[in-house]
Amino acid sequence: DAGVIQSPRHEVTEMGQEVTLRCKPISGHDYLFWYRQTMMRGLELLIYFNNNVPIDDSGMPEDRFSAKMPNASFSTLKIQPSEPRDSAVYFCATRDRGAYNEQFFGPGTRLTVL
Amino acid sequence: KNEVEQSPQNLTAQEGEFITINCSYSVGISALHWLQQHPGGGIVSLFMLSSGKKKHGRLIATINIQEKHSSLHITASHPRDSAVYICAVRSIQGAQKLVFGQGTRLTINP
Repeated sequence: DAGVIQSPRHEVTEMGQEVTLRCKPISGHDYLFWYRQTMMRGLELLIYFNNNVPIDDSGMPEDRFSAKMPNASFSTLKIQPSEPRDSAVYFCATRDRGAYNEQFFGPGTRLTVL
Repeated sequence: KNEVEQSPQNLTAQEGEFITINCSYSVGISALHWLQQHPGGGIVSLFMLSSGKKKHGRLIATINIQEKHSSLHITASHPRDSAVYICAVRSIQGAQKLVFGQGTRLTINP
């Protein structure tokens, strides 16, 4: 398996633009997590899905952020409109349904909003 | 106060030294994870613990549930161990959510 795949790996955009980050989970994994990592706040959970259904989005910073998982093979995290404070590395991670299974992280998308 | 505290924040050592990184948490947990993040940015899961001790190669992780404390040890450290080590807990209330420590930046000099 290729592991968790994220695209793009780097994104540079201007303030006000829409940004879409993509994640392809490991086949068969039931849980998908979106995290954000910044120097100031470290790693934070934004939202997670179980069987394509959003379970907890309490970490989504504001209405400008939205996430979808239309099927078991694909998820998106969208920021509209983007702001400079959204600059961070965004990680997608997935895991199997077993209660004590580890999470597998994607390589991350480094977002810079100018 | 953060729910997950790591110490030290930064650690520099010479190759071959025994390394210990500590993690303390304040909530009841169902599991604790140790993650490694290399300078390139990728994150790898090293261990997941709910009790006792686990060993993988030169890495050992221990957890004391009563004291709400975990340690990650590296024996015979090597420059390739240089990375950020992150402790994360899955709280009993939080179900699937992970809460992360701020990380410990480890540098091993040759």
